[in-house]
Amino acid sequence: GAGVSQTPSNKVTEKGKYVELRCDPISGHTALYWYRQSLGQGPEFLIYFQGTGAADDSGLPNDRFFAVRPEGSVSTLKIQRTERGDSAVYLCASSEQGGSGYTFGSGTRLTVV
Amino acid sequence: AQSVTQPDIHITVSEGASLELRCNYSYGATPYLFWYVQSPGQGLQLLLKYFSGDTLVQGIKGFEAEFKRSQSSFNLRKPSVHWSDAAEYFCAVTLNQAGTALIFGKGTTLSVSS
Repeated sequence: GAGVSQTPSNKVTEKGKYVELRCDPISGHTALYWYRQSLGQGPEFLIYFQGTGAADDSGLPNDRFFAVRPEGSVSTLKIQRTERGDSAVYLCASSEQGGSGYTFGSGTRLTVV
Repeated sequence: AQSVTQPDIHITVSEGASLELRCNYSYGATPYLFWYVQSPGQGLQLLLKYFSGDTLVQGIKGFEAEFKRSQSSFNLRKPSVHWSDAAEYFCAVTLNQAGTALIFGKGTTLSVSS
């Protein structure tokens, strides 16, 4: 596609529920990143994929967070047993391999009530 | 630890006045440097980036930034601010181009007064 697409744009869920956030990167971009942006903060790195594999997941806060990219294109960020502290905007970005720039999606605003 | 500092949380500038947003980084090596802008409810848009070469970098929307190795800084400037420039600005760094996550500062909110 023309840009990085993230769905849904907004998600409200109850504490304890499971959620999935989807990212559709720019066609041909092999690198994909997930970030989390809390209110009043800069984006914080969660996980980076090169192709299908997670090359760096050091930013995932705990084992409730998991992400996949089974075919090297679309990625899904999965959060189990959501907590109110998980409320944030989740941003996805993609880049070409060795690329010199990162294109961000508009994000998914997750609210846990 | 690697870090990016944007000392100014909020800046107000009169329309037509010049602007400088500060960014300092702490890294063991010279990183790759970026400035992004984020309007309310929008994603991050790349304004400019520095990898090597000329330390004065031109970007979109009339912005420029200067890399100063001695000061570990990468300040963003604009000679004349427009009301539409009101937004959140983020400085970000990464150690290399390929496959390393961006580390962001906490951002500076720019307000433009008429």
